[in-house]
Amino acid sequence: EVQVVESGGGLVQPGGSLRLSCKVSGFTFSNAWMSWVRQAPGKGLEWVATIKGDGSETYYVDSVKGRFTISRDDAKNSLYLQMNSLRAEDTAMYYCVTETMTNWGQGTLVAVSS
Amino acid sequence: QAGLTQPPSVSKDLRQTATLTCTGNSNNVGYQGAVWLQQHPGHPPKLLFYRDTNRPSGISERLSASRSGNTASLTITGLQPEDEADYYCSAWDAILRAWVFGGGTRLTVL
Repeated sequence: EVQVVESGGGLVQPGGSLRLSCKVSGFTFSNAWMSWVRQAPGKGLEWVATIKGDGSETYYVDSVKGRFTISRDDAKNSLYLQMNSLRAEDTAMYYCVTETMTNWGQGTLVAVSS
Repeated sequence: QAGLTQPPSVSKDLRQTATLTCTGNSNNVGYQGAVWLQQHPGHPPKLLFYRDTNRPSGISERLSASRSGNTASLTITGLQPEDEADYYCSAWDAILRAWVFGGGTRLTVL
């Protein structure tokens, strides 16, 4: 059974930073494209970032380019999202997602507020 | 990044059939097909179909999916109370190099 577990969310002030982590098990993590998707309270799903299976390329939604960095550690079956210069509009549940949106974690909540 | 188009809401009676649509373009839905997700309140999304018609194990056969050109469709027959949820479509956009999502359809079973 595939398990996806996110962590690292919390309350942070505007301009602050957070690093989200995602641990995957029961799944061949290496070479799998991985993504982060977020959902603001009461809103729809929004893709945030994707990293290729070999880590050679990354893709971001325009609103986070230059502020967020997606990365992976295949030895640890882990995906990360470094979030800098956080804004109120980044407040959302952040989900770690495997290839073709197949497996989702329970999410980790990020709240940006003073 | 431009999104996919879904009707905001659909209401159908119990045991009836609902068809939800998702319209994109040749760079996303028409490229590699759509993904369909179901989300109940307070829960993470759950994959229903990928690449248009591929159903993961455990997904009810009352659900089916198809695509015609740049429009994907999800059909649910014999509607049950547990089908009441938000449904999202998504697709990889080959030009934008991004996943694009529809705004979601809230399905109400009357």
